This record gives sequence, C-alpha cells and structure tokens, in this order.
Amino acid sequence: AQSVTQPDIHITVSEGASLELRCNYSYGATPYLFWYVQSPGQGLQLLLKYFSGDTLVQGIKGFEAEFKRSQSSFNLRKPSVHWSDAAEYFCAVGAGDMRFGAGTRLTVKP
Amino acid sequence: EADIYQTPRYLVIGTGKKITLECSQTMGHDKMYWYQQDPGMELHLIHYSYGVNSTEKGDLSSESTVSRIRTEHFPLTLESARPSHTSQYLCASSVRFGGDEQFFGPGTRLTVL
Repeated sequence: AQSVTQPDIHITVSEGASLELRCNYSYGATPYLFWYVQSPGQGLQLLLKYFSGDTLVQGIKGFEAEFKRSQSSFNLRKPSVHWSDAAEYFCAVGAGDMRFGAGTRLTVKP
Repeated sequence: EADIYQTPRYLVIGTGKKITLECSQTMGHDKMYWYQQDPGMELHLIHYSYGVNSTEKGDLSSESTVSRIRTEHFPLTLESARPSHTSQYLCASSVRFGGDEQFFGPGTRLTVL
C-alpha cells in the first residue's frame, strides 16, 4: 500500500526567504502526487499535482514541486515566502485511494 | 459557482446524542469522501462513495454511518456520540476515484463532552 512521509512537523521561515517542504512516498509504480494547503479553519486546497511528464510542476500562489523518482520524493518549493503562506501543507499520493502525510506547519516570521 | 459545503462548521454536543454532519457539493461529482483529521496526524479516510446508493468503509474504523441517496448529498451520522469522536471531519469529492484531485469542504469541528 502507498504511504507518505513528511519529515518536518513544523518549519519557520522569514518573509522573503525561500522555502522547501519535504515529501517522501512509498508506492510500487509511478504515483499521482499532490500538494494541498490548509489555512486555519478551512478545508484543503490543491496547490499542484503530478501525473506524468515534466518532473517540475508549477502550481498556484508561486509554488512548484519536483518529482524525483530515484529518491521517491516530491518536494514543494517557493522562492520567496509571503506572510499569507503561513498554513499547514499536506503531501498526498493517489493510487486507488488517496494517502496523506501528517502535514507540515509553516510559520512565517516578519 | 461550483463548491462543496459542510454544516455545521462547529458542533459541541453531549455524550450519547445522535448527530448528522451534512455535506453537499454542486460539482456533480460521483465520488465523495469523509476524512477524520486530528492535529499532527495524517487524514484518515473513514467513508467513501462511488455514486448514488454506493457507500464503503475506509481504512480507519469508524462508528459512523453514511448514506448517498442523491449525487450531491453525503451526510455522516453518529448514532451515539462519545468523547473519542471529538475531531475535525472533512468532506471531499472528485470526478474519479483514486488518483484524481479531491475538492474539500471547510470541515466540521466536533467536540463531544
């Protein structure tokens, strides 16, 4: 069965700094991969997804993610973080059903 | 505007009460899901549906039940609430099952005293 690991429970970055959130997955074939964001008191919103093709995927709000098959990773990046990016971020793998990681909480310092 | 709605957003209730969490979507999606979300934990799938009159249990054992009489409506019922049911419940829908984007409602935060 597929699984997802987000090694970082909580990350703090300064506004304007770059961001990388890590995601590792376990699945026997090429999975469908997703990053979602959850603001306080809200549901999850899709940031980006990878199905096939170009391994660098662009998403909304200036986010991108890179699929690395050799490392079983799908890390999320943003070159310059804004205060409004503070939220919980979930990586997910979809194959049969959707499996979510435990999430990484992002705090942005002014 | 296509969307997915959950009511109530917050619910505080006493032990032993029967409750129904409502979920509706206007996107015409066949697939619908209920997840349980606790802080610091992954989302756990508790129920899903392939379409009208289809309901399945997810990977997390739950004492709740669901029904799917209409495409747009997927309510979750707890016959007798207990403190262990305290959690956030998220409803979602998608066009296809499995490797497809899911659209989430805002969630219902349930507290059972």
